[in-house]
Amino acid sequence: QITLMESGPTLVKPTQTLTLTCTFSGFSLSTSGVGVGWIRQPPGKALEWLALIYWDDDRRYSPSLKNRLTITKDTSKNQVVLTMTNMDPVDTATYFCAHLKAVAGTLNWGQGTLVTVSS
Amino acid sequence: DIVLTQSPDSLAVSLGERATINCKSSQSVLYSSSNRNVLAWYQQKPGQPPKLLIYWASTRESGVPDRFSGSGSGTDFTLTISSLQAEDVAVYYCQQYYSTPLTFGGGTKVEIK
Repeated sequence: QITLMESGPTLVKPTQTLTLTCTFSGFSLSTSGVGVGWIRQPPGKALEWLALIYWDDDRRYSPSLKNRLTITKDTSKNQVVLTMTNMDPVDTATYFCAHLKAVAGTLNWGQGTLVTVSS
Repeated sequence: DIVLTQSPDSLAVSLGERATINCKSSQSVLYSSSNRNVLAWYQQKPGQPPKLLIYWASTRESGVPDRFSGSGSGTDFTLTISSLQAEDVAVYYCQQYYSTPLTFGGGTKVEIK
């Protein structure tokens, strides 16, 4: 059974850097065809994909946020970390991590964590 | 970027009636090598993460009731709920994996009439 859990601060100040950790079980990020992605959802709004890291360390980013995002993996700890710099109140959202089955392009989601950006 | 446009934004359907949601892609999401459309549908209930319903445009995920079905190819796709149940009240999203950035439709809210 695949499970993912997001962790990190619930409140950050404008201009600060957000660091979120996704801890997962039920799969290995060293297995071919597997990825872990981050997606966010502002309150009451639609889903927005942020970043994706594959088993071979290939990394993809949202073009609109690429300059602010870094995604890394620690296969031995079953963790993926997302950092987002220069946070702004418009970045207030629930941040989800998700297991990607690359052959089908499908996502299996964690519960998400709400991050509020406010001074 | 591939833009997915869902319609309608919301719909209200009587219990037991059919609900139909459309998703139009700005370009084809059909992989010619596999002849598969890399388009998925998700259901999201309040306070919950999205749940996968359909992948490859028409393949139902294990455990998903058979009243949910997906159809379409290329750029035009449809999610159908054949007989709406109370527990189907949710927002539904389409998502493509033909290319990064992965993109989602804007969502369709389904309610009971």
